[in-house]
Amino acid sequence: GAGVSQSPSNKVTEKGKDVELRCDPISGHTALYWYRQSLGQGLEFLIYFQGNSAPDKSGLPSDRFSAERTGGSVSTLTIQRTQQEDSAVYLCASSLYRGGETQYFGPGTRLLVL
Amino acid sequence: AQSVTQLDSHVSVSEGTPVLLRCNYSSSYSPSLFWYVQHPNKGLQLLLKYTSAATLVKGINGFEAEFKKSETSFHLTKPSAHMSDAAEYFCVVRTLSNFGNEKLTFGTGTRLTIIP
Repeated sequence: GAGVSQSPSNKVTEKGKDVELRCDPISGHTALYWYRQSLGQGLEFLIYFQGNSAPDKSGLPSDRFSAERTGGSVSTLTIQRTQQEDSAVYLCASSLYRGGETQYFGPGTRLLVL
Repeated sequence: AQSVTQLDSHVSVSEGTPVLLRCNYSSSYSPSLFWYVQHPNKGLQLLLKYTSAATLVKGINGFEAEFKKSETSFHLTKPSAHMSDAAEYFCVVRTLSNFGNEKLTFGTGTRLTIIP
C-alpha cells in the first residue's frame, strides 16, 4: 500500500521567502509528526498532530515555523521569512495513533535556503 | 526530562563480524525505545522497537536489541555484518506525559561502515 509521501522532494529558495512543505500520511493514520534533520546533526522533533490538533508546539524552532493539519490527513509545514539555518531535510511520519505505535517515515523534503 | 546518547558517532566493522551500536537513555517515564536506520538518500526505516514487552527485541535484517533498565541501555547488535548494513542508525526514546503529550528524542546517530 502507499506509504507516507512528501512534496516537494527538493526545494531551493531565497533567504526571506516563505515555503510550504506538504505531507500526506498513510490513510487512516491519526498521528502525524514533523522532524528536521540538519547536516551533521541528529534528528530534531518539531511537532506532532493527533487528528487535527497539535497539543505541544514547543518543538518548533521559532515563530517563523507553523504547521497545520486538515481533515485529519494532509499536513503543511510553513516556514516564513526563511533563513539559511533553515536548510535541512524535513521529515514527516505517521502512525496509527500516538502512544507506542510505530511511526512510518516519508522520504523527506530537502530544503536549501540560499 | 529525557535524553538519548549514542556513544559512538562512527563504527567500522569487517564484513561477517559482529556489530554493536550503543545507546543509553534517560527518561522520567516508562519509555518506548526504537532503532531506525537511514540509508543514503532514503527515508528512515524502523529496525525494531521496545514497548514494555519482552526485553530482548528482534528486528529486521538480523538485528536485535536488549532493553536493560538497570543500565538504562538499549544497544543494537547483529551477529554478522553485511555490506548492505552500511548506513546511519538512530536510537529514539518516546515517552508520554501524564497529560498525554508525546515527547520524542532522537540520538545524534551512529554511522556504520562495513569493511569488505
